[in-house]
Formats: sequence, structure tokens, C-alpha cells
Amino acid sequence: DAMVIQNPRYQVTQFGKPVTLSCSQTLNHNVMYWYQQKSSQAPKLLFHYYDKDFNNEADTPDNFQSRRPNTSFCFLDIRSPGLGDAAMYLCATSRETETQYFGPGTRLLVL
Amino acid sequence: GENVEQHPSTLSVQEGDSAVIKCTYSDSASNYFPWYKQELGKGPQLIIDIRSNVGEKKDQRIAVTLNKTAKHFSLHITETQPEDSAVYFCAASRRVGGYNKLIFGAGTRLAVHP
Repeated sequence: DAMVIQNPRYQVTQFGKPVTLSCSQTLNHNVMYWYQQKSSQAPKLLFHYYDKDFNNEADTPDNFQSRRPNTSFCFLDIRSPGLGDAAMYLCATSRETETQYFGPGTRLLVL
Repeated sequence: GENVEQHPSTLSVQEGDSAVIKCTYSDSASNYFPWYKQELGKGPQLIIDIRSNVGEKKDQRIAVTLNKTAKHFSLHITETQPEDSAVYFCAASRRVGGYNKLIFGAGTRLAVHP
């Protein structure tokens, strides 16, 4: 089945230690998104790629970066995780302006 | 700025009853309104969506209505079942460049009791 895959599902890191979360898709969608979702809150868009073009939301901290080496894969890099970065990180994809489909998420714990 | 208000924040119903969740949006340029269901520890799953040229859409036990004049849309679930228990998010979106920017409501936690 075509889908959005996120690895790992759970990630534990230490305060200040860089961490990378990955997302892959078999939908061949040209737009990929990264959202942050904290407990009992709605997802918050961090940035998205339209094809190879990177688009950062104005309020996304510099600590968060992303890479998209090809159509299928997208990575979220957190350079120096703080306690406040503990959250669920959701990857989503869409074909142009069509429906966004979400992956299962990676829950990040910062110790 | 862009805003979506969602009510109620929690909803408890008995199995077999109907559930209604309401959302109001502020951006008159919004033209696409998806509803997502999120179970504990999982990603949001699209359950139904509606575009601004349609007033109502139904898929089995789920229906969505849209009132563009009032900037109001609602999710209706009939004959609720315990597996409907989850957090439901509404969203309003409009085209920004090559993608639809989603503005989410705060979510409604639905509990269906057997």
C-alpha cells in the first residue's frame, strides 16, 4: 500500500545532542511537510518542501533544519534539542494543493 | 490573522448516539476543509473533506456541512461506535504558492461509551 513512513517511531536523545528523524513516502507526492505536535495540541507546521524548494515557516526556530535528498525521502534535523523540543513530529505529503496525508509520527523524548 | 475555532473541546456520547463538532474559520479565502481523526500515539488520518463549492458531503456514518457565508463547517457522526473514540481536528486551508496551508482547530476529544 502507498503510504508515508516515519522512522524511528520513538527517539530518545540527550539535551543538546543532535538528532535526525526520517520520513519516506511511496505516494510520489511532490510536497513534503514537517509538523510538530505537542501534547493535547494541534499540529504546527515547521516547514515544507515543494519539490526541491525549501519553505520555512516564519516562527520555526533556527534549531530545526530539513533535507530532502530525493522525491521519496525527507529528514528533520534538530541541531541542539532542548527540553521544549520534546513532542510528536509528523511528516505529511501531498500532490500540489491536494489532500495532505500524514505518517504515524516520531515521538521525541529529550533527557 | 488566520484562525480556526473548534467546539466542543471534549464530547462524551453513548454508543449509538450522534456526535457533532463545529468549526468556524476567519480567512474568507479558505476553500478546502479536511477533517482528521487522531488516535492515541498515531498520526492524523483524513476521514472526510469538503471543498468550498459544495455545501454537504456524506460518507457512510460521517457527514460534513459547510456554510461559506457564515464561515462555519461541521462534522456529523451518526450511530457512534467505541472505535470512533479519538481526537478530531478540523482544518481550513487555502492555496499558498504550490501547496494548501492548513490552519487547524484545537481539536475535540470524542469519547464513545458502550
